[in-house]
Amino acid sequence: AQRVTQPEKLLSVFKGAPVELKCNYSYSGSPELFWYVQYSRQRLQLLLRHISRESIKGFTADLNKGETSFHLKKPFAQEEDSAMYYCALSERAAGNKLTFGGGTRVLVKP
Amino acid sequence: KAGVTQTPRYLIKTRGQQVTLSCSPISGHRSVSWYQQTPGQGLQFLFEYFSETQRNKGNFPGRFSGRQFSNSRSEMNVSTLELGDSALYLCASSPSGTSDTQYFGPGTRLTVL
Repeated sequence: AQRVTQPEKLLSVFKGAPVELKCNYSYSGSPELFWYVQYSRQRLQLLLRHISRESIKGFTADLNKGETSFHLKKPFAQEEDSAMYYCALSERAAGNKLTFGGGTRVLVKP
Repeated sequence: KAGVTQTPRYLIKTRGQQVTLSCSPISGHRSVSWYQQTPGQGLQFLFEYFSETQRNKGNFPGRFSGRQFSNSRSEMNVSTLELGDSALYLCASSPSGTSDTQYFGPGTRLTVL
C-alpha cells in the first residue's frame, strides 16, 4: 500500500531564510505527487503538483524517483507562507484518491 | 464559479445515532471524494464517487457509506456513531479523470458525545 511521510511536524524559520519541507513516499507504481496548503481559516487548496513543474508563490518541488522524495522548497520565506502543508500521492489510473502525509506546520517569524 | 459547499458546517450527535453530511461540488465536476481529518490520524480517504458510482473506497468500516446523485451532489452517512467518529469531514470535487487537482470544501465538524 502507498504511504506518504512528512518527518517534520513543525518548521520554524525567519523571514528571508530558505525553507525546505521534506516528503517521502512509498509506492510501487508510478505516482502523481502534490503539495496542498491550508492557510489560517481557509480551506485546503492545491499549491503545486509535480507533473506541472511550475513554481507557485516561489515554491518548487522536484520528484526524485530514486529517493522516492518530493521535497518542497522556497529560497526566501515570507510571513504569508505560514500555513499547514500536506504532501499527497495519487495513483495513476485509480481515480482521485489522495493519500496524505501527516502535514508540516510552517511558521515564518519576522 | 462557486466553490465546493458542505452542509451542515457543525453537528453534535450522541453515540449510537446516525448522521448525513452533504456536499455540493463545483459546477461541472463529476468526481466527489470524502476525507476524514482528525488530530491523531490526519487526513484519511473515505471514498470517491464518479458519475453516481463508487470508484474508490478507503479503509473504513461499513458504518460509513455514501452516494452521489445525478447532479453530482454527494452525501455521506455514518450509522451507529462512535466517539471516535468525531472529526472534520472534508469533501473535494474534481472535474473527472484521475489524479485531478481536487478542490476542497470547508468541511463539516462532527462532534459525537
